[in-house]
Amino acid sequence: DAGITQSPRHKVTETGTPVTLRCHQTENHRYMYWYRQDPGHGLRLIHYSYGVKDTDKGEVSDGYSVSRSKTEDFLLTLESATSSQTSVYFCAISQGAEAFFGQGTRLTVV
Amino acid sequence: GQNIDQPTEMTATEGAIVQINCTYQTSGFNGLFWYQQHAGEAPTFLSYNVLDGLEEKGRFSSFLSRSKGYSYLLLKELQMKDSASYLCAPEANQAGTALIFGKGTTLSVSS
Repeated sequence: DAGITQSPRHKVTETGTPVTLRCHQTENHRYMYWYRQDPGHGLRLIHYSYGVKDTDKGEVSDGYSVSRSKTEDFLLTLESATSSQTSVYFCAISQGAEAFFGQGTRLTVV
Repeated sequence: GQNIDQPTEMTATEGAIVQINCTYQTSGFNGLFWYQQHAGEAPTFLSYNVLDGLEEKGRFSSFLSRSKGYSYLLLKELQMKDSASYLCAPEANQAGTALIFGKGTTLSVSS
């Protein structure tokens, strides 16, 4: 199995609070992605990174920011969480070929 | 940009064959991935097609037609454990381009 871990796995937070999700890899893969998955919408790309300090927006990036200061870590931050950001968040890594996914983080914003 | 279309749901019975279609429009197309995702779990890689034609891998096969922007996943001898969502993801050939997924097809296999 690819060495990719997400933390936390579950989180409940209040509206308006900041939240940071972490994705950590031990594979030295170049690409890292954050997706969210909601019923009826499939996997939607939030942000992705193609190298240290190189990031770009996906289709649903509003309300989210990311940082990648080293190869192994990709952080997703919700600056001020809203109920619409309740979702399951998946991190993925790839080296230009197949992507490997973390186990997901279930985030609930109340 | 990309446009990916898959049927939302399909049903089939154990032992049957099912074909899940995916049509796409992708700038600078390179290849196409298929992933399987069981409920509550992360997606896992099934296949990757670059060339036109059928690639067989056990009970699962994947077909690609680059000129038609069309792919399908063929599942034979269906088992209950094949009940899952199947996601297609066309890959662009530009460096730094992210992997975008279709909404997925939820397959329900009944006995």
